[in-house]
Amino acid sequence: EAQVTQNPRYLITVTGKKLTVTCSQNMNHEYMSWYRQDPGLGLRQIYYSMNVEVTDKGDVPEGYKVSRKEKRNFPLILESPSPNQTSLYFCASSPRTGYTDTQYFGPGTRLTVL
Amino acid sequence: QQPVQSPQAVILREGEDAVINCSSSKALYSVHWYRQKHGEAPVFLMILLKGGEQKGHEKISASFNEKKQQSSLYLTASQLSYSGTYFCGTGNTGGFKTIFGAGTRLFVKA
Repeated sequence: EAQVTQNPRYLITVTGKKLTVTCSQNMNHEYMSWYRQDPGLGLRQIYYSMNVEVTDKGDVPEGYKVSRKEKRNFPLILESPSPNQTSLYFCASSPRTGYTDTQYFGPGTRLTVL
Repeated sequence: QQPVQSPQAVILREGEDAVINCSSSKALYSVHWYRQKHGEAPVFLMILLKGGEQKGHEKISASFNEKKQQSSLYLTASQLSYSGTYFCGTGNTGGFKTIFGAGTRLFVKA
């Protein structure tokens, strides 16, 4: 089944404890992206990747890191999480560019930073 | 720059129609529409790339105006399953970002 998977689905952590949220797609898509969703603000793009080893900042990149060493994986790293990073996170993938193609979203990761 | 969606929320009875608008002060390269049900991931509805384009079917369709600064999503003869939050996402030339609006919450009641 074609899909985007994220792990973990739920995570409660404490301020400053490094964490990684994994994202994987099995559709051979070139474009992958991370979004955070907060009430009243919609989806805001954190980082995106056009292909392996090609990443760029979205609108809210502060406090996050990403890497794209393989086409299928695009992990999101929070090196020192803070409470303002408590949010619902979605990974998405798209065949080519992201803004001219359908984006397929993962199930989401609900992160709470205490 | 985040596109502006209106209305913020709408309540319908089954069978009624609704229009959701998405506007930008700059010309856009593309407009996407997604629906998100509570606790789930957004699901793609359609994408429009050309000024003056209309797309979709008789129940759910969308348009992109000639200047490519506004798109509207049309929900006809709404069903209970249409309930959810609708987002427009816009793409700009010169970049690969997608910027989403804040969403329109739609509730259809029997």
